[in-house]
Amino acid sequence: EDQVTQSPEALRLQEGESSSLNCSYTVSGLRGLFWYRQDPGKGPEFLFTLYSAGEEKEKERLKATLTKKESFLHITAPKPEDSATYLCATNQAGTALIFGKGTTLSVSS
Amino acid sequence: EAQVTQNPRYLITVTGKKLTVTCSQNMNHEYMSWYRQDPGLGLRQIYYSMNVEVTDKGDVPEGYKVSRKEKRNFPLILESPSPNQTSLYFCASSLGLPNTGELFFGEGSRLTVL
Repeated sequence: EDQVTQSPEALRLQEGESSSLNCSYTVSGLRGLFWYRQDPGKGPEFLFTLYSAGEEKEKERLKATLTKKESFLHITAPKPEDSATYLCATNQAGTALIFGKGTTLSVSS
Repeated sequence: EAQVTQNPRYLITVTGKKLTVTCSQNMNHEYMSWYRQDPGLGLRQIYYSMNVEVTDKGDVPEGYKVSRKEKRNFPLILESPSPNQTSLYFCASSLGLPNTGELFFGEGSRLTVL
């Protein structure tokens, strides 16, 4: 069964304190690994798509990387506005995204 | 503005009273989907539609119905709601899910069934 597991469940950082979120997956025939951001009371918002091991994508203070078994979302010098839940997902047979349960990031000033 | 619109945003109802949550997108997307989000369980797909008149079950379809008569609309129907359907529901659409994985989500509909 295809699975997506995220860790940690929650992460508290001080402003400027860099860290990484992990997403491990067991999917036969990976068709893509996707990262989303979800703010409280809102729908998830698309961030990145990664297709092959070694691929990297960047957006402001966020960088996503992909290996054969996991993906990392690196957050460099985070600010309070980066506080959110970050979700990763994989593509299941082209009909659905399978989401992990997310990592809730809190950044305090 | 490109968007997915859901209504109602909040609803409290009673067991057995039929309800419909509407979803409309203005991006001419072929793919649409419904998810529910529950604490500890994450986002789970209920139904999806690859195009008009084409719908299929996701992981948790029991107790739900959908229809896709027009490209822009994808309503979720609860014929006889039960308390275990209390959840946060999201509608999403995509130009081409298999290719990009980029889903556009609505703001969510919080449903409470008493």
